Amino acid sequence: QVQLVQSGAEVKKPGSSVKVSCKASGGTFSSYTISWVRQAPGQGLEWMGRIIPILGIANYAQKFQGRVTITADKSTSTAYMELSSLRSEDTAVYYCARGNEFDYWGQGTLVTVSS
Amino acid sequence: QSALTQPPSASGSPGQSVTISCTGTSSDVGGYNYVSWYQQHPGKAPKLMIYEVSKRPSGVPDRFSGSKSGNTASLTVSGLQAEDEADYYCSSYAGSSNYVFGTGTKVTVL
Repeated sequence: QVQLVQSGAEVKKPGSSVKVSCKASGGTFSSYTISWVRQAPGQGLEWMGRIIPILGIANYAQKFQGRVTITADKSTSTAYMELSSLRSEDTAVYYCARGNEFDYWGQGTLVTVSS
Repeated sequence: QSALTQPPSASGSPGQSVTISCTGTSSDVGGYNYVSWYQQHPGKAPKLMIYEVSKRPSGVPDRFSGSKSGNTASLTVSGLQAEDEADYYCSSYAGSSNYVFGTGTKVTVL
């Protein structure tokens, strides 16, 4: 049974950074890409970027270039998403999702940006 | 990369069918057979319902079907049931290892 378990909710100040983790179990971590998708309150889904764990190569949506960093630790089957220079508009639930079809999703991590 | 266009809402009575469209461009929906559909209930993570335009993952009822014509993909839910009431999102591969989601459609079972 594949599971993606994310870290807990975060409250951050504007201008700071947040790092969210996504631990995979029940599958072969390195065989699949891991994407990060966010959803602002009452809004739709937005793809942020993805990593190929076996290669350690990440690519990002143009909107987030320079502000997001996605990494993966094969030894712990964990992917990370770090978003910097946070602003109020970054308040959202952040999800990790597996593979090219996003067939499994984490439970989501609420990141609140507020002064 | 602009979001794919979906109608904001769709509805049908129990037992009826509802079809949701997802319109993109030749750079995403029209250029690849990598369109997926997701169902999301309030407060829950999205769930994969259709991938590669028309394939159903194990466990997804055959009431859900997908298709594509040109730059527009469609999801049809036949034999609507109360539990089908949810938000639905399409996604497409958009080239250069990028993906794009649709704007989302709220399906109401009347």
